[in-house]
Amino acid sequence: DSGVTQTPKHLITATGQRVTLRCSPRSGDLSVYWYQQSLDQGLQFLIQYYNGEERAKGNILERFSAQQFPDLHSELNLSSLELGDSALYFCASSVGAGGTGSPLHFGNGTRLTVT
Amino acid sequence: AQSVAQPEDQVNVAEGNPLTVKCTYSVSGNPYLFWYVQYPNRGLQFLLKYITGDNLVKGSYGFEAEFNKSQTSFHLKKPSALVSDSALYFCAVRGPSGGSYIPTFGRGTSLIVHP
Repeated sequence: DSGVTQTPKHLITATGQRVTLRCSPRSGDLSVYWYQQSLDQGLQFLIQYYNGEERAKGNILERFSAQQFPDLHSELNLSSLELGDSALYFCASSVGAGGTGSPLHFGNGTRLTVT
Repeated sequence: AQSVAQPEDQVNVAEGNPLTVKCTYSVSGNPYLFWYVQYPNRGLQFLLKYITGDNLVKGSYGFEAEFNKSQTSFHLKKPSALVSDSALYFCAVRGPSGGSYIPTFGRGTSLIVHP
């Protein structure tokens, strides 16, 4: 058990809808990362938060947004959903912001299916 | 920009035989290198990392990896494979790209260990 909790495990929704994915990081970890995993794109970095502040941005669409709350949990909001957004979304956490080389600890992911 | 290449989509090995999963990387500066394993319907689990020092690093479940700076490689190895090692393996590099240390993952290598 990595200590990272993601909810829900599965999400099925229709095109055009909006969903929220939730992540609780491992105790003591200040950084939260969001990744999208799909068969054709592999594991793509979306966004990182460190202690409540956005730290780095990757290939995140404008339709997607995220935030990290004072209790360090994070939410990823996906809106105007398209079929191509169907994927496995992972949250990961680490102790520092990245420069120390600490590994990421992953949750079990949220499988999003857009119909 | 940093990148990781895992040249083999799939590696097949007989139980009891040694295994190697290949990884090469490209990054400016000194890299932090990682191996993760993913079992079906689970998140990635950290196996081992190279930060500095000895080129041979040992990790969980009997796995080890050899860092070769001149060949920019970080191959994962195990002396004797088990059927339970069958999973998807990801190599990742973490370097000072643009001032951040966001991990970049390879596309993964499926390891199949035959009884």
